[in-house]
Amino acid sequence: AQRVTQPEKLLSVFKGAPVELKCNYSYSGSPELFWYVQYSRQRLQLLLRHISRESIKGFTADLNKGETSFHLKKPFAQEEDSAMYYCALKNSGNTPLVFGKGTRLSVIA
Amino acid sequence: EAGVVQSPRYKIIEKKQPVAFWCNPISGHNTLYWYRQNLGQGPELLIRYENEEAVDDSQLPKDRFSAERLKGVDSTLKIQPAELGDSAVYLCASSLGGDHGYTFGSGTRLTVV
Repeated sequence: AQRVTQPEKLLSVFKGAPVELKCNYSYSGSPELFWYVQYSRQRLQLLLRHISRESIKGFTADLNKGETSFHLKKPFAQEEDSAMYYCALKNSGNTPLVFGKGTRLSVIA
Repeated sequence: EAGVVQSPRYKIIEKKQPVAFWCNPISGHNTLYWYRQNLGQGPELLIRYENEEAVDDSQLPKDRFSAERLKGVDSTLKIQPAELGDSAVYLCASSLGGDHGYTFGSGTRLTVV
């Protein structure tokens, strides 16, 4: 069965400090991994996906198939990064996303 | 582009009452999803539509939940009768399908008292 685990419910860091939001998954095939973000009073939106290999708002995530992880990283946190972050996976093709429980990132000035 | 539109934004009802949520996806998006998000949890799929066909409804509690997507455009999700445990945010998302990403609506926050 597909499963996404985000071990931290809350992560607090100081402004300018590095951030790493952990995500581990269990899946027998080759999944597609995503990070979604929800800022206060806004809708859930895509932050990045592993197949794009891009950096969005300074965030990057590398898929590590050996460790079945897709951790989200940013070298210098900013206050506007405070939000809920959800890791999600799906099979290739037209299949639904499976979400983790989310991690709330709080960046302290 | 208005994005995915959901209504109402908030709904408070007494248990055993019926309730309905409405979703208008992005024009041209054939795939529509209903997710439920309980407090402190990630979204969980209830049902997925390809055009007007429900292709994955295995997680939909069919004894009280129903959904439809007539004409393959907008969709309604209904609960009858509602229970206290149905309190959650109900999210609608749409996609072009395949490997395209989802666009989520703002959700409907349901409180059953």
